[in-house]
Amino acid sequence: GAVVSQHPSWVICKSGTSVKIECRSLDFQATTMFWYRQFPKQSLMLMATSNEGSKATYEQGVEKDKFLINHASLTLSTLTVTSAHPEDSSFYICSARKPGPVGYEQYFGPGTRLTVT
Amino acid sequence: GENVEQHPSTLSVQEGDSAVIKCTYSDSASNYFPWYKQELGKGPQLIIDIRSNVGEKKDQRIAVTLNKTAKHFSLHITETQPEDSAVYFCAASKNFYSGGYQKVTFGIGTKLQVIP
Repeated sequence: GAVVSQHPSWVICKSGTSVKIECRSLDFQATTMFWYRQFPKQSLMLMATSNEGSKATYEQGVEKDKFLINHASLTLSTLTVTSAHPEDSSFYICSARKPGPVGYEQYFGPGTRLTVT
Repeated sequence: GENVEQHPSTLSVQEGDSAVIKCTYSDSASNYFPWYKQELGKGPQLIIDIRSNVGEKKDQRIAVTLNKTAKHFSLHITETQPEDSAVYFCAASKNFYSGGYQKVTFGIGTKLQVIP
């Protein structure tokens, strides 16, 4: 199997506070994880690529000081939204890359709904 | 960079009929083409994928075809059922075999509605 979990599944926070989202690969080790953001009725936008033990690679236009990513182990990556504002409200989804018999496949977590009031 | 176009954006079919979703990609170096199904409020679920060395792949009611020359690939769902209703995303990436930087570029999604 290839199961990726996220916690929490939803969170409501006040403007100015920080929120941490966890992404775990439950039955495999993932040297690489990805963080996506999805707006309603839109496609997934890659925010950053997270490699275990090294700094994350952020996509153009994504503020690395606002979206802190830590990939401290082979099964856990965290995304911290710092000083959250209402415009940060979104559906955040992580994925983990799993090496298969031939190549590398990506499996997604269930997502985290963030609402900033 | 890679650009993936997907159509149609919405698709309604009668239960039992077939559904076809088409995608094109721009980067000839892409070698991995997964399809994801996303139900409301959930993360995308990998349903089938195809690699660049294969022209067609089938898994029960789902099949995917790839035309590398034309740079397009399609998802075919036969004998559709109401539980097939969801948003389907096509995607393309490279370095599938090497595990190098492997950004997955998604299409815009197709909302499939299967009418009972």
